[in-house]
Amino acid sequence: DVKVTQSSRYLVKRTGEKVFLECVQDMDHENMFWYRQDPGLGLRLIYFSYDVKMKEKGDIPEGYSVSREKKERFSLILESASTNQTSMYLCASSSGRGQLNTEAFFGQGTRLTVV
Amino acid sequence: QKEVEQNSGPLSVPEGAIASLNCTYSDRGSQSFFWYRQYSGKSPELIMSIYSNGDKEDGRFTAQLNKASQYVSLLIRDSQPSDSATYLCAVKWRGSTLGRLYFGRGTQLTVWP
Repeated sequence: DVKVTQSSRYLVKRTGEKVFLECVQDMDHENMFWYRQDPGLGLRLIYFSYDVKMKEKGDIPEGYSVSREKKERFSLILESASTNQTSMYLCASSSGRGQLNTEAFFGQGTRLTVV
Repeated sequence: QKEVEQNSGPLSVPEGAIASLNCTYSDRGSQSFFWYRQYSGKSPELIMSIYSNGDKEDGRFTAQLNKASQYVSLLIRDSQPSDSATYLCAVKWRGSTLGRLYFGRGTQLTVWP
């Protein structure tokens, strides 16, 4: 079974803090993604990566950065946390490039609250 | 702009009925289609994928794809209260070689006993 593991289930941080969200997958997937999910807005893509050290901006990258130093690990960084970044953060991974069945597998999610 | 639209819901059906969830997409170059189920407070889990026109059945679930109409649906037969969740439609475009999926906002389904 594919396993995508996020480092924290719940997190509370203060405004202005630098926040790291970690995600690890154990299926040797090339692609990894970070989404945030807010009521009424659905899943919104923040950043994704298709290879080590490679990254692409998603739809809402402002205020975030990412790091992928190893294939299995993809980190999301909030440079200076703000209250409008309070959300559910979901990491996902998928296999291959240009393949038909590139279904994404999700981690359990991190509910981040910025106070 | 690539868009994935789902019927807004919420959808409420009695136990044992058929629940029908619909999804339309904007780009004819779409390649792969997925349905995810998300329980409240949990992460999405894949329940169906479909790539060719027609129907694909898996237990009580049937996915239907009509590329000419740019339409994909999910039917849940003999609905159970445990099917109560939000259902997300996701689409991969042919040109999206990096594996990115585009998601709809989801349809909330409630199955009442």
